[in-house]
Amino acid sequence: GAGVSQTPSNKVTEKGKYVELRCDPISGHTALYWYRQSLGQGPEFLIYFQGTGAADDSGLPNDRFFAVRPEGSVSTLKIQRTERGDSAVYLCASSLMLSSGSNTGELFFGEGSRLTVL
Amino acid sequence: AQSVSQHNHHVILSEAASLELGCNYSYGGTVNLFWYVQYPGQHLQLLLKYFSGDPLVKGIKGFEAEFIKSKFSFNLRKPSVQWSDTAEYFCAVSRFSGGYNKLIFGAGTRLAVHP
Repeated sequence: GAGVSQTPSNKVTEKGKYVELRCDPISGHTALYWYRQSLGQGPEFLIYFQGTGAADDSGLPNDRFFAVRPEGSVSTLKIQRTERGDSAVYLCASSLMLSSGSNTGELFFGEGSRLTVL
Repeated sequence: AQSVSQHNHHVILSEAASLELGCNYSYGGTVNLFWYVQYPGQHLQLLLKYFSGDPLVKGIKGFEAEFIKSKFSFNLRKPSVQWSDTAEYFCAVSRFSGGYNKLIFGAGTRLAVHP
Protein backbone atom coordinates (compact mmCIF):
# COMPACT_ATOMS: atom_id res chain seq x y z
CA GLY A 1 0.00 0.00 0.00
CA ALA A 2 0.91 3.65 -0.16
CA GLY A 3 1.26 4.26 3.57
CA VAL A 4 2.72 2.65 6.66
CA SER A 5 0.71 -0.42 7.55
CA GLN A 6 0.43 -1.78 11.08
CA THR A 7 -1.17 -4.98 12.27
CA PRO A 8 -3.11 -5.79 14.30
CA SER A 9 -5.03 -2.57 14.71
CA ASN A 10 -6.28 -3.80 18.08
CA LYS A 11 -4.86 -6.42 20.40
CA VAL A 12 -6.32 -7.45 23.74
CA THR A 13 -4.22 -9.80 25.82
CA GLU A 14 -3.86 -11.00 29.36
CA LYS A 15 -1.13 -9.98 31.73
CA GLY A 16 1.94 -12.16 31.31
CA LYS A 17 1.30 -13.06 27.68
CA TYR A 18 3.62 -12.47 24.73
CA VAL A 19 2.64 -10.03 21.98
CA GLU A 20 3.97 -9.21 18.52
CA LEU A 21 3.10 -6.05 16.63
CA ARG A 22 3.97 -5.72 12.97
CA CYS A 23 4.91 -2.73 10.86
CA ASP A 24 5.20 -2.58 7.08
CA PRO A 25 6.85 0.73 6.13
CA ILE A 26 6.50 2.70 2.94
CA SER A 27 8.41 1.02 0.15
CA GLY A 28 11.90 2.49 -0.20
CA HIS A 29 12.00 4.01 3.28
CA THR A 30 15.11 2.70 4.98
CA ALA A 31 14.51 4.45 8.30
CA LEU A 32 11.90 2.94 10.62
CA TYR A 33 10.80 4.09 14.06
CA TRP A 34 8.63 2.71 16.82
CA TYR A 35 6.82 5.04 19.19
CA ARG A 36 4.39 4.43 22.05
CA GLN A 37 1.50 6.72 22.85
CA SER A 38 -0.24 6.44 26.18
CA LEU A 39 -3.58 8.05 26.89
CA GLY A 40 -3.32 11.83 27.11
CA GLN A 41 0.31 11.94 26.08
CA GLY A 42 2.31 12.49 22.96
CA PRO A 43 4.19 9.72 21.19
CA GLU A 44 7.26 8.49 23.04
CA PHE A 45 10.30 7.23 21.10
CA LEU A 46 11.15 3.56 21.51
CA ILE A 47 13.58 2.47 18.82
CA TYR A 48 15.01 3.43 15.44
CA PHE A 49 16.19 1.16 12.63
CA GLN A 50 18.41 2.11 9.74
CA GLY A 51 18.14 -0.83 7.38
CA THR A 52 18.30 -4.05 9.37
CA GLY A 53 20.09 -2.71 12.40
CA ALA A 54 18.71 -0.99 15.47
CA ALA A 55 20.70 2.24 15.46
CA ASP A 56 19.08 3.61 18.60
CA ASP A 57 17.11 1.52 21.09
CA SER A 58 17.45 3.95 23.96
CA GLY A 59 13.69 4.37 24.30
CA LEU A 60 12.85 0.73 25.00
CA PRO A 61 11.55 0.77 28.59
CA ASN A 62 13.07 -2.55 29.69
CA ASP A 63 14.30 -5.89 28.44
CA ARG A 64 10.76 -7.20 27.95
CA PHE A 65 10.63 -5.08 24.79
CA PHE A 66 12.50 -6.11 21.66
CA ALA A 67 12.21 -5.23 17.99
CA VAL A 68 13.61 -6.73 14.82
CA ARG A 69 13.80 -5.83 11.17
CA PRO A 70 15.55 -8.82 9.61
CA GLU A 71 15.31 -7.86 5.94
CA GLY A 72 15.33 -4.12 6.27
CA SER A 73 11.66 -3.70 5.52
CA VAL A 74 8.98 -5.15 7.81
CA SER A 75 9.60 -4.74 11.52
CA THR A 76 8.15 -6.58 14.49
CA LEU A 77 7.92 -5.18 18.01
CA LYS A 78 7.89 -7.96 20.56
CA ILE A 79 6.70 -7.60 24.13
CA GLN A 80 7.26 -10.42 26.60
CA ARG A 81 5.39 -10.98 29.87
CA THR A 82 3.03 -8.10 29.19
CA GLU A 83 1.96 -5.87 32.05
CA ARG A 84 -1.09 -3.63 32.39
CA GLY A 85 1.19 -0.61 32.10
CA ASP A 86 2.12 -1.69 28.58
CA SER A 87 -1.37 -0.76 27.41
CA ALA A 88 -0.96 1.98 24.81
CA VAL A 89 -1.06 2.69 21.11
CA TYR A 90 2.15 1.54 19.44
CA LEU A 91 3.01 3.67 16.45
CA CYS A 92 5.34 2.85 13.62
CA ALA A 93 6.82 5.48 11.31
CA SER A 94 9.15 5.42 8.37
CA SER A 95 11.16 8.05 6.57
CA LEU A 96 13.26 8.49 3.49
CA MET A 97 17.01 8.84 3.65
CA LEU A 98 18.53 11.06 1.01
CA SER A 99 21.59 10.02 -1.00
CA SER A 100 23.56 12.56 1.01
CA GLY A 101 22.89 10.50 4.11
CA SER A 102 20.64 13.09 5.64
CA ASN A 103 17.00 12.64 6.44
CA THR A 104 14.16 14.51 4.78
CA GLY A 105 12.83 15.16 8.24
CA GLU A 106 9.31 13.93 7.71
CA LEU A 107 8.16 10.82 9.49
CA PHE A 108 5.19 9.01 7.97
CA PHE A 109 3.14 7.32 10.65
CA GLY A 110 0.89 4.32 10.55
CA GLU A 111 -2.46 4.23 12.30
CA GLY A 112 -1.03 2.34 15.21
CA SER A 113 -1.71 -0.87 17.07
CA ARG A 114 -3.80 -0.40 20.19
CA LEU A 115 -2.64 -2.84 22.85
CA THR A 116 -4.79 -3.54 25.89
CA VAL A 117 -3.41 -5.72 28.64
CA LEU A 118 -6.06 -7.02 31.02
CA ALA B 1 17.24 15.87 28.11
CA GLN B 2 15.10 17.50 25.50
CA SER B 3 11.49 18.17 26.36
CA VAL B 4 8.55 19.84 24.67
CA SER B 5 5.78 21.71 26.47
CA GLN B 6 2.40 22.42 24.97
CA HIS B 7 0.58 24.78 27.27
CA ASN B 8 -2.97 24.23 26.11
CA HIS B 9 -4.31 20.73 26.49
CA HIS B 10 -7.81 21.51 25.28
CA VAL B 11 -8.92 24.42 23.13
CA ILE B 12 -12.48 25.14 22.04
CA LEU B 13 -13.15 27.69 19.32
CA SER B 14 -15.95 28.78 17.08
CA GLU B 15 -15.48 28.72 13.32
CA ALA B 16 -13.64 31.75 11.94
CA ALA B 17 -11.89 32.39 15.24
CA SER B 18 -8.12 32.77 15.23
CA LEU B 19 -5.93 30.03 16.64
CA GLU B 20 -2.62 30.06 18.41
CA LEU B 21 -1.21 26.96 20.07
CA GLY B 22 1.85 27.37 22.23
CA CYS B 23 4.93 25.16 22.07
CA ASN B 24 8.18 25.54 23.99
CA TYR B 25 11.16 23.25 23.97
CA SER B 26 14.06 22.86 26.36
CA TYR B 27 17.04 22.07 24.17
CA GLY B 28 19.52 24.89 23.70
CA GLY B 29 21.36 23.73 20.61
CA THR B 30 20.34 23.61 16.98
CA VAL B 31 16.97 21.95 16.64
CA ASN B 32 14.48 21.03 14.00
CA LEU B 33 10.84 21.74 14.82
CA PHE B 34 7.63 20.14 13.67
CA TRP B 35 3.90 20.29 14.09
CA TYR B 36 1.97 17.10 13.47
CA VAL B 37 -1.81 16.76 13.37
CA GLN B 38 -4.03 13.80 14.06
CA TYR B 39 -7.58 14.06 12.76
CA PRO B 40 -10.20 11.83 14.43
CA GLY B 41 -9.66 8.23 13.42
CA GLN B 42 -6.61 9.00 11.31
CA HIS B 43 -2.86 8.68 11.61
CA LEU B 44 -0.43 11.41 12.56
CA GLN B 45 0.54 13.59 9.63
CA LEU B 46 2.97 16.43 9.16
CA LEU B 47 1.50 19.93 9.23
CA LEU B 48 4.72 21.89 8.87
CA LYS B 49 8.40 21.84 9.76
CA TYR B 50 11.27 24.20 10.40
CA PHE B 51 14.91 23.35 9.75
CA SER B 52 16.57 26.68 9.01
CA GLY B 53 16.06 29.96 7.21
CA ASP B 54 12.91 32.05 7.45
CA PRO B 55 11.56 31.54 10.97
CA LEU B 56 7.99 31.94 9.74
CA VAL B 57 6.99 28.64 8.24
CA LYS B 58 3.86 28.00 6.24
CA GLY B 59 2.25 24.59 6.18
CA ILE B 60 -0.79 22.90 4.78
CA LYS B 61 -4.38 24.07 5.21
CA GLY B 62 -3.47 27.65 6.04
CA PHE B 63 -1.42 26.89 9.13
CA GLU B 64 1.81 28.67 9.95
CA ALA B 65 4.31 28.63 12.78
CA GLU B 66 6.94 31.03 13.97
CA PHE B 67 10.26 29.95 15.40
CA ILE B 68 11.51 32.38 18.05
CA LYS B 69 14.93 31.15 19.10
CA SER B 70 15.28 33.52 22.06
CA LYS B 71 12.04 32.20 23.53
CA PHE B 72 12.61 28.55 22.59
CA SER B 73 9.16 28.65 21.05
CA PHE B 74 7.46 27.38 17.92
CA ASN B 75 3.83 28.47 18.16
CA LEU B 76 1.25 27.32 15.65
CA ARG B 77 -1.24 29.80 14.21
CA LYS B 78 -4.18 29.97 11.88
CA PRO B 79 -6.09 33.19 11.23
CA SER B 80 -9.50 31.58 10.79
CA VAL B 81 -10.26 28.02 11.86
CA GLN B 82 -12.78 25.70 10.28
CA TRP B 83 -14.82 22.87 11.73
CA SER B 84 -12.57 20.47 9.79
CA ASP B 85 -9.57 21.65 11.87
CA THR B 86 -10.94 19.69 14.83
CA ALA B 87 -8.04 17.41 15.68
CA GLU B 88 -5.17 16.86 18.07
CA TYR B 89 -2.02 18.85 17.41
CA PHE B 90 1.45 17.78 18.46
CA CYS B 91 4.59 19.86 18.56
CA ALA B 92 7.87 17.97 18.19
CA VAL B 93 11.56 18.76 18.30
CA SER B 94 14.59 16.86 17.10
CA ARG B 95 18.24 17.09 16.42
CA PHE B 96 19.52 15.26 13.42
CA SER B 97 21.94 12.82 14.92
CA GLY B 98 23.60 10.11 12.91
CA GLY B 99 21.44 10.96 9.93
CA TYR B 100 18.14 10.23 11.56
CA ASN B 101 15.37 12.20 13.09
CA LYS B 102 14.49 11.29 16.68
CA LEU B 103 11.39 13.29 17.42
CA ILE B 104 10.48 14.30 20.95
CA PHE B 105 6.78 15.11 21.14
CA GLY B 106 4.76 17.32 23.38
CA ALA B 107 1.64 16.00 25.11
CA GLY B 108 -0.63 17.41 22.43
CA THR B 109 -3.44 19.96 22.26
CA ARG B 110 -6.92 18.80 21.49
CA LEU B 111 -8.76 21.39 19.39
CA ALA B 112 -12.52 21.38 18.99
CA VAL B 113 -14.03 23.82 16.50
CA HIS B 114 -17.75 24.43 16.77
CA PRO B 115 -19.79 25.50 13.73
